[in-house]
Amino acid sequence: QSVLPQPPSASGTPGQRVTISCSGSNFNIGINNVYWFQQFPGRAPTLLIFRNNQRPSGVPDRFSGSKSGTSASLTISGLRPEDEADYYCAAWDDSLTGVVFGGGTKLTVL
Amino acid sequence: QVQLVQSGADVKKPGSSVKVSCKASGGTFSTYSINWVRQAPGQGLEWMGRFVPRLGRANYAQNFQGRVTISADTSATTAYMELTRLTSDDTAVYYCERGAAGIDPYFDYWGQGTLVTVSS
Repeated sequence: QSVLPQPPSASGTPGQRVTISCSGSNFNIGINNVYWFQQFPGRAPTLLIFRNNQRPSGVPDRFSGSKSGTSASLTISGLRPEDEADYYCAAWDDSLTGVVFGGGTKLTVL
Repeated sequence: QVQLVQSGADVKKPGSSVKVSCKASGGTFSTYSINWVRQAPGQGLEWMGRFVPRLGRANYAQNFQGRVTISADTSATTAYMELTRLTSDDTAVYYCERGAAGIDPYFDYWGQGTLVTVSS
């Protein structure tokens, strides 16, 4: 069981909006920044969202992040077939004194 | 342009050790941390630990304490991850990433990954 539970799967049709949740605690999300990573099969993950809601240059504004209390969300608007990938949240955990990842959500574009 | 190039795939016997290297180019090596994350087949990401060259210090995930050593040769801008007492559960792709010097998992550059297979 991951320290940051995520739904194992999510799906949507092109053009739809999809939200992926990430649940934490007062040891991690509640007091530290949340990061999101995107991973395509056979490839290394890439940074998608940093410091809860910031996008690195080159990441489309269709991707947005938010945080409220001990939970965080990644929202993808205007879903595209190329968004089909695995998505992971991550944060520093003060109790474990290390980085913890969510279990990952496999996004399918129908 | 920052690049992290890892050593090649490796096959190890149970009980042995593996050492994976990560050569960084571009950027300022000592300014950042080098982190290691692994991914077992079909599984999620698992942080193993990090080395902060500026501090000359490593932090390790509790799950790997006593079994992993992360180090770096600053002059060669190369980081290393050594994992001992291998079991089949250690079969995974091991990634190195450039991270912030602080606690945030600001992993903006990743190596290509190194597949380590543990098999008798």
